[in-house]
Amino acid sequence: ETGVTQTPRHLVMGMTNKKSLKCEQHLGHNAMYWYKQSAKKPLELMFVYSLEERVENNSVPSRFSPECPNSSHLFLHLHTLQPEDSALYLCASSQDRVRGEAFFGQGTRLTVV
Amino acid sequence: GENVEQHPSTLSVQEGDSAVIKCTYSDSASNYFPWYKQELGKGPQLIIDIRSNVGEKKDQRIAVTLNKTAKHFSLHITETQPEDSAVYFCAAISNTGNQFYFGTGTSLTVIP
Repeated sequence: ETGVTQTPRHLVMGMTNKKSLKCEQHLGHNAMYWYKQSAKKPLELMFVYSLEERVENNSVPSRFSPECPNSSHLFLHLHTLQPEDSALYLCASSQDRVRGEAFFGQGTRLTVV
Repeated sequence: GENVEQHPSTLSVQEGDSAVIKCTYSDSASNYFPWYKQELGKGPQLIIDIRSNVGEKKDQRIAVTLNKTAKHFSLHITETQPEDSAVYFCAAISNTGNQFYFGTGTSLTVIP
């Protein structure tokens, strides 16, 4: 148990659906991240939030929309996804942006059909 | 931007032997190098890290070495056990703090 909880663990959605991934951290951290993990590829940083403000967006398609209502919660809203978006989506948190000790959740395995 | 290369992509060792995984990075501004272990169905978990002002760090059977001049760092696991079987990722973090660059991962199998 890393202190970072993601739900759901598995999600299957059609290309016309709208769904949301949820992440919650109980570590008192100030920075939260969304990563995409695809087979045979490095982890891809999607979004970084620091103190609820988005500070990094690595040119992610607009069909992915993050939301950070407070420093403990992070959402990733999904709509009109493509099959190539199927991957493991990982949430992580760290004390702040400068300190690198990131703690990861167990991920949401997303399948787009 | 940073480029992190990790080798090998797969590694099989006999139980009790040592395993070594190597990473190289390109950005001299990187100053923090964590290693993560990811077991099947789980997220990556930090196992050891090293900062650029240190050349070596050890924690029981796990050690990490850093050569800043050559821009490479390595993970060493001694006396491997079956439960060490997992995918291991290296990462390089810039001194601005908000860029995590990960290697492509090494799938380690420890054969009993």
